[in-house]
Amino acid sequence: AQSVTQLGSHVSVSEGALVLLRCNYSSSVPPYLFWYVQYPNQGLQLLLKYTSAATLVKGINGFEAEFKKSETSFHLTKPSAHMSDAAEYFCAVSEWSGYSTLTFGKGTMLLVSP
Amino acid sequence: ETGVTQSPTHLIKTRGQQVTLRCSSQSGHNTVSWYQQALGQGPQFIFQYYREEENGRGNFPPRFSGLQFPNYSSELNVNALELDDSALYLCASRDGQGGGNTIYFGEGSWLTVV
Repeated sequence: AQSVTQLGSHVSVSEGALVLLRCNYSSSVPPYLFWYVQYPNQGLQLLLKYTSAATLVKGINGFEAEFKKSETSFHLTKPSAHMSDAAEYFCAVSEWSGYSTLTFGKGTMLLVSP
Repeated sequence: ETGVTQSPTHLIKTRGQQVTLRCSSQSGHNTVSWYQQALGQGPQFIFQYYREEENGRGNFPPRFSGLQFPNYSSELNVNALELDDSALYLCASRDGQGGGNTIYFGEGSWLTVV
């Protein structure tokens, strides 16, 4: 069985500060890992995904995430927060084969202050 | 723009009623899945269809059912609505079943059960 834990339901940063959103996963097989962003009253937009090609994954809007197998982590970072980054972020895990589906964490709301 | 469209965007139903939610996927996306996102939670997998056959189901009762059509459209039906069914319902599609294939989400249908 697979699961995802996102530490911190809310993270507050100042504009221009580093963004760090934490995600730890559990999977019985090598995983695929994803970060999605959800703006208010909207669906989910893919930020980036890890599919074993490279451990450091770059996504849209300046975000990146690093897969660390030894720590079973896939934390999301951005060097400098922008007001438009304020949204809810979801980490998700999927398995390599079969009818793989996404298992999501509970989400982290990112708040950006001026 | 994900190419996944859902209707209706919002609806209100009474407890005990039945509801049908619709989704139109990108051409060529033969895998469609549905997720339920309760307020303040991450999306939960309901079920998945591949080439018009259900091939995976999450922890949801049989009153949640679905259909997938050859024209890449699909439906989610919920019978005997309960108050706890109030949530955002997300349709997602992808090409094939591989776990690393990008899953594209629609904007969702907000269901309120009163």
